[in-house]
Amino acid sequence: DGGITQSPKYLFRKEGQNVTLSCEQNLNHDAMYWYRQDPGQGLRLIYYSQIVNDFQKGDIAEGYSVSREKKESFPLTVTSAQKNPTAFYLCASSMGPPLAGSTDTQYFGPGTRLTVL
Amino acid sequence: DQQVKQNSPSLSVQEGRISILNCDYTNSMFDYFLWYKKYPAEGPTFLISISSIKDKNEDGRFTVFLNKSAKHLSLHIVPSQPGDSAVYFCAANAPRRGGSQGNLIFGKGTKLSVKP
Repeated sequence: DGGITQSPKYLFRKEGQNVTLSCEQNLNHDAMYWYRQDPGQGLRLIYYSQIVNDFQKGDIAEGYSVSREKKESFPLTVTSAQKNPTAFYLCASSMGPPLAGSTDTQYFGPGTRLTVL
Repeated sequence: DQQVKQNSPSLSVQEGRISILNCDYTNSMFDYFLWYKKYPAEGPTFLISISSIKDKNEDGRFTVFLNKSAKHLSLHIVPSQPGDSAVYFCAANAPRRGGSQGNLIFGKGTKLSVKP
């Protein structure tokens, strides 16, 4: 089956600890993304990567870090510097830059709910 | 400042009737738009998209209309079914300079409830 997997589904951590969220895709997509969703809010972009070994900050990158060593994998580390880490984290992937007039659809994984105690 | 707005947090519709979900945007440079459906504690599922060079796109029960002069798009679901009950997100792509890939900007979502 082709798709995007995120693990674990639920994650609990103590305040002050770093934690890494996994995201893997076997869709052969070039681009991958991390979003955060809070209650009553839309999705906000944390980091994105258009190609292996390259990534860019999104709108709310502070307190987070990523790596893109393999095309299939884009792990997100929530560091102790992130002030409000409890949230629902979503990973997505897409084929890459679209031709003019077409769309580059992002496909999402099932999400990881992180709770910091 | 929100660039993509879904002003109705919730919408309730009777089964079999039409559901109309609205979305407004402020940036005339957005070049395509997407609608996603999301159930609680799950990732969003892509529903339908539309390029800014079109004004309508239809896929089964789902139709998206784009009015560029009004910077408004809407998703029509006909007929509505109880399984359509979910949160619907509107998203817009902001192209970056030089034609490289932009990023999606999401609205806050509208919770649709379809009553049997």
